[in-house]
Amino acid sequence: QQQVKQSPQSLIVQKGGISIINCAYENTAFDYFPWYQQFPGKGPALLIAIRPDVSEKKEGRFTISFNKSAKQFSLHIMDSQPGDSATYFCAASWAANDMRFGAGTRLTVKP
Amino acid sequence: GAGVSQSPSNKVTEKGKDVELRCDPISGHTALYWYRQSLGQGLEFLIYFQGNSAPDKSGLPSDRFSAERTGGSVSTLTIQRTQQEDSAVYLCASSLARGSYNEQFFGPGTRLTVL
Repeated sequence: QQQVKQSPQSLIVQKGGISIINCAYENTAFDYFPWYQQFPGKGPALLIAIRPDVSEKKEGRFTISFNKSAKQFSLHIMDSQPGDSATYFCAASWAANDMRFGAGTRLTVKP
Repeated sequence: GAGVSQSPSNKVTEKGKDVELRCDPISGHTALYWYRQSLGQGLEFLIYFQGNSAPDKSGLPSDRFSAERTGGSVSTLTIQRTQQEDSAVYLCASSLARGSYNEQFFGPGTRLTVL
């Protein structure tokens, strides 16, 4: 059972554009929603995370938007750069339970 | 400080052979996780350890998979009688403790190829 659904599977954006990746979840008990970034040959690394008591969190060019009623959250990358080209995973977890990851989005930012 | 390390980085084996994958977590991290990443797929949770205990082994794909952790540190994932469908990148992560708000730090993974 896929608890976190992520889209799109791949995304191509021009340099300077906005990259948007969406995730939807089913379990209303989830209370922590991180995004991980993975470069080729490396393990994923935490990029930014949000808890459901806020609707938006911004760190530099990266913003998470969270819609609790719709059970959806998204990652926005403003002014996308070629160095942002990577695979992005959304995830969700609750209490002391284990994290469930989305299928990943391969982002390519063209110069 | 050192991050999570995994060895070997690449492993090529023949179908039917056993393989052992090793993970060295960050010192002081009590929680350790194993994931499998197949080509074009997300991260499939396999098993976690809190200390040396693995309370839930239901994520392991089959009884050919087993894992252990000793001394609250190093963990080994063993795959017996490997099959071609076992080919994937096996990732290990550790965190200070198990729980939502504890960041998981990932190692670089072991790429397993079963011929």
